[in-house]
Amino acid sequence: AAGVIQSPRHLIKEKRETATLKCYPIPRHDTVYWYQQGPGQDPQFLISFYEKMQSDKGSIPDRFSAQQFSDYHSELNMSSLELGDSALYFCASSLGAQRPYEQYFGPGTRLTVT
Amino acid sequence: GENVEQHPSTLSVQEGDSAVIKCTYSDSASNYFPWYKQELGKRPQLIIDIRSNVGEKKDQRIAVTLNKTAKHFSLHITETQPEDSAVYFCAASITGKLIFGQGTELSVKP
Repeated sequence: AAGVIQSPRHLIKEKRETATLKCYPIPRHDTVYWYQQGPGQDPQFLISFYEKMQSDKGSIPDRFSAQQFSDYHSELNMSSLELGDSALYFCASSLGAQRPYEQYFGPGTRLTVT
Repeated sequence: GENVEQHPSTLSVQEGDSAVIKCTYSDSASNYFPWYKQELGKRPQLIIDIRSNVGEKKDQRIAVTLNKTAKHFSLHITETQPEDSAVYFCAASITGKLIFGQGTELSVKP
């Protein structure tokens, strides 16, 4: 079965640079969630989209923005990167209306800021 | 906001024994409680979930129980195997976003 796709899988950036992470949800899934996971920590919710509209917002810095496109893929844009942004970034998707909240995670993007 | 506490942080069992992980949540409006298994550097994998209108759910060696009155839910793994070794996260949700517990590192010794 098709899974959530994330790209790139690994990304190395320098401080103050920008990064764009992409997420392609499972086919037919209309809801996308973004989570940030630091080393040894639990995933922290950043932001979510349902039917291309922002549906919820968590602890996402103002330096980050995200959107969901007409084909339901989503992009997380990160600017003025800081060392503390180094983490695993997961995207998860769900079939919002029929299986609310049941989320399947992508393989993650490991971001390293030097 | 919602807060989820998970215990224990580490759990070591012998192969074949049972393992129990417990979570409590703070917001009585939470209505969805999934459990995820995460191996080092890999994605969280949904292993079982329960909704607030159900008290117990079982899937082969894995079961989850929910006590809404006490705001507790637990994961039970029977006949543990070495491949069950991983970090397990509980989570709670009201509006879709998942609030995770701190994780339990389960080690199953052969």
